[in-house]
Amino acid sequence: DTGVSQDPRHKITKRGQNVTFRCDPISEHNRLYWYRQTLGQGPEFLTYFQNEAQLEKSRLLSDRFSAERPKGSFSTLEIQRTEQGDSAMYLCASSSGAGGMEEQFFGPGTRLTVL
Amino acid sequence: GQNIDQPTEMTATEGAIVQINCTYQTSGFNGLFWYQQHAGEAPTFLSYNVLDGLEEKGRFSSFLSRSKGYSYLLLKELQMKDSASYLCAVRGATNKLIFGTGTLLAVQP
Repeated sequence: DTGVSQDPRHKITKRGQNVTFRCDPISEHNRLYWYRQTLGQGPEFLTYFQNEAQLEKSRLLSDRFSAERPKGSFSTLEIQRTEQGDSAMYLCASSSGAGGMEEQFFGPGTRLTVL
Repeated sequence: GQNIDQPTEMTATEGAIVQINCTYQTSGFNGLFWYQQHAGEAPTFLSYNVLDGLEEKGRFSSFLSRSKGYSYLLLKELQMKDSASYLCAVRGATNKLIFGTGTLLAVQP
């Protein structure tokens, strides 16, 4: 295991369609985060899991967005009825849960384009 | 409210030193991180400060003053490959990171 992986790397969809992204964290990392990044901006927090429990959701996360981490390993982020404003890079990160510095390691991201 | 400010762009010369500043106002403070992000790639960790003072790590150093809500990242002996966006992020009371908009550094020959 060499790092956080995300699939797909790129997704082009039409407005109104549903999309689902997957994130595989570093093995044994019990914390997993989703962020969204648009051009020229820093990443914005969306949601965070500790094991399978979703502990925090941003107010940015409308009811069209849902995230799961059913077995405390990989996670999925689904966007229903996509809108052009959803076009962004979706980044996943994981951390050990050990406290202290607890660096977050980022995956390569999924770039979503909504036409 | 939560606010993190850093300059949008900076330019520096190869071999020189550059300092990227970051000021923050957040509800709760549990450490400040600097990440580097090359265009189209994921952010990668550079440094972490939780106590006041300077942390040095090779060509990169980071400073924190909690009372002033201020940090800087110092890059020495600049190389062309250092051209990237540098992100300042604060970890608040929960584990999420709150990022600034990033500083796009261009290193010129």
